Amino acid sequence: EVQLVESGGGLVQPGGSLRLSCSASGFTFNTYPMHWVRQASGKGLEYVAGITSDGGDTHYTDSVKGRFTIFRDNSKNTLYLQMSSLRPEDTSFYYCVKDMWERRELGTPYWWGQGTLVTVSS
Amino acid sequence: QSALTQPASVSGSPGQSITISCTGTSGDLVNYNYVSWYQQHPGKAPKLMIYDVTSRPSGVSNRFSGSTSGNTASLTISGLQAEDEADYYCHSSTRGSTLYVFGTGTTVIVL
Repeated sequence: EVQLVESGGGLVQPGGSLRLSCSASGFTFNTYPMHWVRQASGKGLEYVAGITSDGGDTHYTDSVKGRFTIFRDNSKNTLYLQMSSLRPEDTSFYYCVKDMWERRELGTPYWWGQGTLVTVSS
Repeated sequence: QSALTQPASVSGSPGQSITISCTGTSGDLVNYNYVSWYQQHPGKAPKLMIYDVTSRPSGVSNRFSGSTSGNTASLTISGLQAEDEADYYCHSSTRGSTLYVFGTGTTVIVL
């Protein structure tokens, strides 16, 4: 069974940094693109970033470009999101999501982890 | 700000059919051949219900169906059940600077 377990969330001050991790199991990690999607409390879903299965290409939503970096370690079956210059508006649950298709390129976000909460506040 | 607008809420009685719309703007950069739909119950992670406009992942009830017309995508839930009460989000790719976009979300209320 596919399992995605996010970790690394917590309270951080504005301007600070945080690294989220997503440990994957139950599928061949290095053959699937991966995504990060966030959701502020009581709000809608927002696509954050995506990475191809080999880690060679990445995509970001405009509001996080230059501040967030998505990367993966296929030898450890782990996806990461390095977040810096954090702002209060980055406060959200962050979900790790497995793509639907076993291929290199990004496709449909399919299987979701349970999320980790990031709170940016002084 | 989302490029895809959904109604805030849609309601129906058990057994009825309801339709949730997901509308872009004329000339927008959304790829309407790629729309997917997610269901989210309170406190839970989203679940993929429809992908590529009309396809259902394994295990999703055939009471859920999708379609598009012009710059509007739709999710129809037939034979509404109490367990269908949840938030629903459309999603698609774009040819703009942001690769993917979600809709504003719709709360389905089963009366």
